[in-house]
Amino acid sequence: GENVEQHPSTLSVQEGDSAVIKCTYSDSASNYFPWYKQELGKRPQLIIDIRSNVGEKKDQRIAVTLNKTAKHFSLHITETQPEDSAVYFCAEGGGTSYGKLTFGQGTILTVHP
Amino acid sequence: NAGVTQTPKFQVLKTGQSMTLQCAQDMNHNSMYWYRQDPGMGLRLIYYSASEGTTDKGEVPNGYNVSRLNKREFSLRLESAAPSQTSVYFCASRPVPENQPQHFGDGTRLSIL
Repeated sequence: GENVEQHPSTLSVQEGDSAVIKCTYSDSASNYFPWYKQELGKRPQLIIDIRSNVGEKKDQRIAVTLNKTAKHFSLHITETQPEDSAVYFCAEGGGTSYGKLTFGQGTILTVHP
Repeated sequence: NAGVTQTPKFQVLKTGQSMTLQCAQDMNHNSMYWYRQDPGMGLRLIYYSASEGTTDKGEVPNGYNVSRLNKREFSLRLESAAPSQTSVYFCASRPVPENQPQHFGDGTRLSIL
């Protein structure tokens, strides 16, 4: 079945630094890769997504890159702020999965002021 | 629009009791999903409904049943609750077409003693 590996499991940075979270997946038919942010006690919320017809997408301080050949994709957050502290989940889906997503295990990001 | 609404928000059960978690969405989405979230495990799919009238098993369906009551509502039932089912349960929905993000409810925090 589908499998998503996410690294690192925890990430601690100073305010203003960049943060990078990486995910690898196994299903070559996957063509949709969203990233969710979850604050403590809250619902997961979509922050950015990418489809397999592009290699990179950017939205202000957040960017995602996709390498379909290597089956990995990454989240990049620049100029981190304390309010970026949360758990981040990658996911993969698409193809014949009927909209199902397989999630990574999550990365706890802590941004120190 | 309320988005995805889950009830109840919190529940404590005794082992062997049954209960139904309710989920409703007002976005006219076709597909709906139930996940459980345990520490360090990410989000794991329990059951999903690709469209009204259909349901399918996800990654961890044992001990659960679902009903897609109509296009808006998708309920999750625990027939005989076990301590291993203590978790946070999230419902999500997704529109057509493919490769669109899932929208999550606020979750139900369930403890089974």
